[in-house]
Amino acid sequence: DTGVSQNPRHKITKRGQNVTFRCDPISEHNRLYWYRQTLGQGPEFLTYFQNEAQLEKSRLLSDRFSAERPKGSFSTLEIQRTEQGDSAMYLCASSLTLGLGNQPQHFGDGTRLSIL
Amino acid sequence: QKEVEQDPGPLSVPEGAIVSLNCTYSNSAFQYFMWYRQYSRKGPELLMYTYSSGNKEDGRFTAQVDKSSKYISLFIRDSQPSDSATYLCAMSVGRDDKIIFGKGTRLHILP
Repeated sequence: DTGVSQNPRHKITKRGQNVTFRCDPISEHNRLYWYRQTLGQGPEFLTYFQNEAQLEKSRLLSDRFSAERPKGSFSTLEIQRTEQGDSAMYLCASSLTLGLGNQPQHFGDGTRLSIL
Repeated sequence: QKEVEQDPGPLSVPEGAIVSLNCTYSNSAFQYFMWYRQYSRKGPELLMYTYSSGNKEDGRFTAQVDKSSKYISLFIRDSQPSDSATYLCAMSVGRDDKIIFGKGTRLHILP
C-alpha cells in the first residue's frame, strides 16, 4: 500500500495524559498536512510542513499541540495535557510540490482520539 | 458566515437517479476546487480536482465551478448504493495551500 499511513488508528486516553500520533506520507511527497475533524464537521487545517520546515500553524493549534517532521519524511503530532475537547479524528495528508503541476492532497484514514 | 457553506443533509435518492450536491463560498480568492468522498471511519478520498471556473467530467461524476456566483456543484449520474457516503466540498487559494472544507453532505442511495 503506497497511500498515507497513520498510526494508531484509535487512541483512548484519560484527560490530562499526553498522546502522540504518527503519519507516514506517500513516498517522495514533500508536503505534509495535519487536519482535525469533529463529528458532523469537515476537516479543519492545523499545520503543514514542506520537507522538515513547519510553514504554517492554525490558531486552532494551541501551545499544547506540537508537530514535527524531523527528517522530512514521517511526522508526529503530540498533544500534551489532553482535554475533553481534543476528542476528534486527526487526519494527515500529503502532496508533491513540483513546478507548476497541480498536485492535490491525499489523506490517510486518520487517528481517532477519544478522551475519557 | 463560514467561508464554505454546505447543506449537511442527509440526502436520500433512489438508485439510478442523478444526484446534485452543492456548496457556496465567500472568499473570492479561492482558485482550486475539490470534492472528496468520505466513508464512515475512513479518510477523505479525492474525487474531483478543478482549477478556476468551468466543468470537469470523470466517469459518472461531473464537477462545475461558477466563480462569478461563488457556487460549486458535483453531479453523480446513475447513482449506486456504493455511492452512499459523505461528500465534502473543499477549496484553496493556492495550489499547495491549506484546504478549507465544507461540513459535508451525507448521501444515501436507496436500492
